[in-house]
Amino acid sequence: TQLLEQSPQFLSIQEGENLTVYCNSSSVFSSLQWYRQEPGEGPVLLVTVVTGGEVKKLKRLTFQFGDARKDSSLHITAAQPGDTGLYLCAGARNFNKFYFGSGTKLNVKP
Amino acid sequence: EPEVTQTPSHQVTQMGQEVILRCVPISNHLYFYWYRQILGQKVEFLVSFYNNEISEKSEIFDDQFSVERPDGSNFTLKIRSTKLEDSAMYFCASRREAGSGSTDTQYFGPGTRLTVL
Repeated sequence: TQLLEQSPQFLSIQEGENLTVYCNSSSVFSSLQWYRQEPGEGPVLLVTVVTGGEVKKLKRLTFQFGDARKDSSLHITAAQPGDTGLYLCAGARNFNKFYFGSGTKLNVKP
Repeated sequence: EPEVTQTPSHQVTQMGQEVILRCVPISNHLYFYWYRQILGQKVEFLVSFYNNEISEKSEIFDDQFSVERPDGSNFTLKIRSTKLEDSAMYFCASRREAGSGSTDTQYFGPGTRLTVL
């Protein structure tokens, strides 16, 4: 059962473009986290959102948690080649168990 | 900056053999996790551990798997009789405390690549 669906699976864009990645579920989560993973490495946490409707900004990255705490989005403004990587969302019902999405592989071309 | 470390980085074993994957979480962290990621697939939760006992485990974490914190620093994952389908990257993670604080962070180690032949 896919608890968390991420879309798109793959995204290839030119430097300077904006993009949005989505993380959707039919389940309610107490918190949702976004990670970035480089090949052969462990995921690195970007942000945690816990409140329905919450918006967090991290430089050119904007994260939003849905009002019902079932979905989230990651928006990148003016993407750069350094943003290339695998972006993962993970939802938690408590902090003992995390469900990961299948990821969005982003490629930003110079 | 403190980090989670894992050894070995790559383990090759024969089917049916026991393997122990080792992790050293960040020293003041209280919650520990194991995940696995089969090549090309998503990260899957295996088990969480707190106060010397399992807090939660997934359906993947069957009787072939066990975890232990043998001393104050190591956190191990044992697979008793490995199968071909256990081949994956295994990640350890730790966090300082659980709670609703949005600044609480789960730190992942670099992973151990397990290859079962």
